[in-house]
Amino acid sequence: AQTVTQSQPEMSVQEAETVTLSCTYDTSESDYYLFWYKQPPSRQMILVIRQEAYKQQNATENRFSVNFQKAAKSFSLKISDSQLGDAAMYFCAYRKFQGAQKLVFGQGTRLTINP
Amino acid sequence: DAGVIQSPRHEVTEMGQEVTLRCKPISGHNSLFWYRQTMMRGLELLIYFNNNVPIDDSGMPEDRFSAKMPNASFSTLKIQPSEPRDSAVYFCASSVDLVYEQYFGPGTRLTVT
Repeated sequence: AQTVTQSQPEMSVQEAETVTLSCTYDTSESDYYLFWYKQPPSRQMILVIRQEAYKQQNATENRFSVNFQKAAKSFSLKISDSQLGDAAMYFCAYRKFQGAQKLVFGQGTRLTINP
Repeated sequence: DAGVIQSPRHEVTEMGQEVTLRCKPISGHNSLFWYRQTMMRGLELLIYFNNNVPIDDSGMPEDRFSAKMPNASFSTLKIQPSEPRDSAVYFCASSVDLVYEQYFGPGTRLTVT
């Protein structure tokens, strides 16, 4: 079974600085998707970024980028120029490329932005 | 564009009562997912549908839980009878087919006393 591990329960960063959230996963599949979701206090789950395992290029979305290391099964999220609105729980998630389409989530990292 | 709509946003009920959670997926999406979020177990998939047909219900914890999708624009998750350990946030998500991103609703916070 696939598992996703986020080893940092909490992280904090100064506003305008850069922070990296860690995620590792375990799978025997060669093709799959990885995601980062953000859950602010409103509870809404918001998709931040997606990475296809067959793509070597790391995904980027404005201030958000990932460092995808397939061999190491590592998928970290970098947030540049942190803003107060980035404060939230961040969840790393895995999904198979084919077959069962459920998202497997990590336990989350709570990110605090210090003004 | 309207996102995934869930109702109610909050539900407080007594043990033994029937609870029905509702979800309206994004128009044009044909896949629908029900997730549950608890402190102990995190986010876990309960069941998902494709074209109104249940595909995988292996995450449904017990026979007390049931889900239906009578048409493309509506789904329900029912718990009967409810128990205190069912207290959680229940999310509905939808996607265009099974291979695309899942978009989540705001969740229903269920409290069973």
